[in-house]
Amino acid sequence: GESVGLHLPTLSVQEGDNSIINCAYSNSASDYFIWYKQESGKGPQFIIDIRSNMDKRQGQRVTVLLNKTVKHLSLQIAATQPGDSAVYFCAENAHAGGTSYGKLTFGQGTILTVHP
Amino acid sequence: EADIYQTPRYLVIGTGKKITLECSQTMGHDKMYWYQQDPGMELHLIHYSYGVNSTEKGDLSSESTVSRIRTEHFPLTLESARPSHTSQYLCASSEYGGFYGYTFGSGTRLTVV
Repeated sequence: GESVGLHLPTLSVQEGDNSIINCAYSNSASDYFIWYKQESGKGPQFIIDIRSNMDKRQGQRVTVLLNKTVKHLSLQIAATQPGDSAVYFCAENAHAGGTSYGKLTFGQGTILTVHP
Repeated sequence: EADIYQTPRYLVIGTGKKITLECSQTMGHDKMYWYQQDPGMELHLIHYSYGVNSTEKGDLSSESTVSRIRTEHFPLTLESARPSHTSQYLCASSEYGGFYGYTFGSGTRLTVV
């Protein structure tokens, strides 16, 4: 395959700090958004999702904020722990090509490193 | 635990060999996907399927091919492996397409020497 070869941005925090990871999405018709966490050597794992009719959703230690006006999504992690070190991807669902369910498009991703 | 399985987890193979990466899911999902990911890089969709006998090429051009003869099985084949095929290959499945997200396997890390 011919990859563009874009390296991911990084975020380094101290254990116990709050982390904020940002994502800009491209399609104003996207109706559903997800944050995934990918640890080294593993596949992406679902963290939290949000529908386009919401601005904020909270989970355990995580909060997702959606700003549709500027097409921006953020993931806030409270009291970040070393186990949170991973790559975080946002993904948007957009309906295209006549399909009923849409297809996820993944954002660039951010490497989060938590220092003890 | 993951209900989508990929084998092998790691594969080192010589140039010119034919390889098949296996992906199976036990959730009865119609929709399945293959992504290619280089270390520290983005995920790129290379193939997807919306059901048995349905396969489509993804956003990233790939020399691999896929088949979907059974709902639970979505293998990816490279007829003649090259060093440029060295990458991680991730398989995913979903019931509702992008809505509610995908479940990913652990991936196959392929190295072609």
